[in-house]
Amino acid sequence: QLQLQESGAGLLRPSQTLSLTCTVSGGPITSGGYSWSWIRQPRGEGLEWVGYIYQSGTTYYNPSLKSRVILSIDKSNNQMALKLTSATAADTGVYYCVRVNLHMGRALDIWGQGTMVTVSS
Amino acid sequence: QSALTQPPSASGSPGQSVTISCAGTSSDIGGYDYVSWYQHHPGKAPKLIIYEVTKRPSGVPARFSGSKSGNAASLTVSGLQAEDEADYYCSSYAGGINFAVFGAGTRVTVL
Repeated sequence: QLQLQESGAGLLRPSQTLSLTCTVSGGPITSGGYSWSWIRQPRGEGLEWVGYIYQSGTTYYNPSLKSRVILSIDKSNNQMALKLTSATAADTGVYYCVRVNLHMGRALDIWGQGTMVTVSS
Repeated sequence: QSALTQPPSASGSPGQSVTISCAGTSSDIGGYDYVSWYQHHPGKAPKLIIYEVTKRPSGVPARFSGSKSGNAASLTVSGLQAEDEADYYCSSYAGGINFAVFGAGTRVTVL
């Protein structure tokens, strides 16, 4: 059974770079028919997609974050990475690594447990 | 401000039904049959319960059903059970670079 596990620094100072890694276990990240995404949930708010990446490396980012976000895939380690530069308090929240199922209308069919990131001075 | 509009709360007694609405536009819900719904128990990973408007992933009870009309979608939970108490989010593909838009979530309370 495919599982996703987020990891990375949980506390950042403003202006630092938020860096998270998603490790995929139970199957290859290169399986056909899927792409990979980060979804975040600011404290007390709803879900917001950060961006997604195809196995080819093609990326799409939330327009509101586009200038600060980089997603990448490391096929050899079965991982996906997120970097969000110039972090502010508004980036505080839970970050989820998610599989996008292209056979299911791009539904987010597998989620990691999420990791809490706090940006505070 | 979320792109899709959901009521903040809904409630029902055990055994009753509750329906959650999700309003969008012709650029998202109205333009694609790619509406999905997620159940989120706080502290846990969200769970996909409906995709492509009406379809249920394997293992999701038939008590959960989805529908769409025009620019709006809805989720109905029939035969409410205590474990259905959670936050529910709707989402829609919005085309091209916008990928996905979400509602702000609806807290369902089982009375």
